[in-house]
Amino acid sequence: KQEVTQIPAALSVPEGENLVLNCSFTDSAIYNLQWFRQDPGKGLTSLLLIQSSQREQTSGRLNASLDKSSGRSTLYIAASQPGDSATYLCAVRMAYKYIFGTGTRLKVLA
Amino acid sequence: EAGVAQSPRYKIIEKRQSVAFWCNPISGHATLYWYQQILGQGPKLLIQFQNNGVVDDSQLPKDRFSAERLKGVDSTLKIQPAKLEDSAVYLCASSEGRQGYGYTFGSGTRLTVV
Repeated sequence: KQEVTQIPAALSVPEGENLVLNCSFTDSAIYNLQWFRQDPGKGLTSLLLIQSSQREQTSGRLNASLDKSSGRSTLYIAASQPGDSATYLCAVRMAYKYIFGTGTRLKVLA
Repeated sequence: EAGVAQSPRYKIIEKRQSVAFWCNPISGHATLYWYQQILGQGPKLLIQFQNNGVVDDSQLPKDRFSAERLKGVDSTLKIQPAKLEDSAVYLCASSEGRQGYGYTFGSGTRLTVV
């Protein structure tokens, strides 16, 4: 059974810091991995999708890496801003469904 | 491009009452998903439709939950009767196909059962 774990559960950093969010999964037989952002009371916004054959994806200040063999992914946020404050969820795709982690609540202080 | 539409945004009901949620996916998206997100947890897939057929409903509590997707477009999720532990955000999502491209979530319906 696939289990997805995210560390840390919560993170508070000053504005401008570079930070890393971690995601680990127990079954490496995944199709892809996505990182999502969730704002309070809102739905999920897809940030980055990494196919199982890829090692990383980049979008603006975000960079996500994937090491499928070790069951790990990281989301790197450069030069964090208060607007980055949200919950970040990683999800792995098994066949036709996504299994989600419990998320990392990020607060960037001005 | 219009996103995934869900209604209502919020709902408060008493236990043992029934409730229904509605979802309109992105136009042309064949695959539709309903997720349940309990506070502090990640979303959990309840049911997945491919067009108007059910692909996976293994985690749907079928004694009280039901869902349908008539004509392969809009979908409704119903709970009857509701329990306190059903309090959660119910998220609808859609994608172009089963590979997950264009995976888009709606804003969700926050259900509180008292």
